[in-house]
Amino acid sequence: DAMVIQNPRYQVTQFGKPVTLSCSQTLNHNVMYWYQQKSSQAPKLLFHYYDKDFNNEADTPDNFQSRRPNTSFCFLDIRSPGLGDAAMYLCATSRGTGTGGTDTQYFGPGTRLTVL
Amino acid sequence: DQQVKQNSPSLSVQEGRISILNCDYTNSMFDYFLWYKKYPAEGPTFLISISSIKDKNEDGRFTVFLNKSAKHLSLHIVPSQPGDSAVYFCAASSTPGGTSYGKLTFGQGTILTVHP
Repeated sequence: DAMVIQNPRYQVTQFGKPVTLSCSQTLNHNVMYWYQQKSSQAPKLLFHYYDKDFNNEADTPDNFQSRRPNTSFCFLDIRSPGLGDAAMYLCATSRGTGTGGTDTQYFGPGTRLTVL
Repeated sequence: DQQVKQNSPSLSVQEGRISILNCDYTNSMFDYFLWYKKYPAEGPTFLISISSIKDKNEDGRFTVFLNKSAKHLSLHIVPSQPGDSAVYFCAASSTPGGTSYGKLTFGQGTILTVHP
């Protein structure tokens, strides 16, 4: 089945220790997104790639970076995690065609990050 | 400033009755509205959407109503089933200039519990 896969599902890191979260897709979609969702809050878009074009949200901290080495994979790097970065990180993909609302986003199961 | 709000954190409904989930938004630039459903340990999945040029969209047991003047939308589930128990996220889309896809702004989610 075509899908969005996130690894690992649970990640524990230490305060200030760099961490990388991984997302892969078999949907061959052009757009890949990273969202941060803190407890009982709305998922918040951090950035997205349209193909190789990187688009950062204005309020995404510099501590968060992303890489997309090919169509299938996208990584979220947190350079120096703080306690406030503990959250669920959701990866999503979309075809990138049609109007915005019709371009359905498909989500992975998320990676829950704990910062000690 | 939260542009999409779901003011009810939870809703409990008896099987067979109607579930009504509500969502308010503030940004008049949103042109598409979506509902996503999320089960535990899974990513959100697309449920139903509505364009800002319509006031109703129906898909089986699910109907979404949009009241643009009130900047309010609602999701009706009739009849509700225990398998509908999940977190429901309202999302709104705007299409950045020059792109063919949209960015989603999510609400905080409403936990729906349908009792047998």
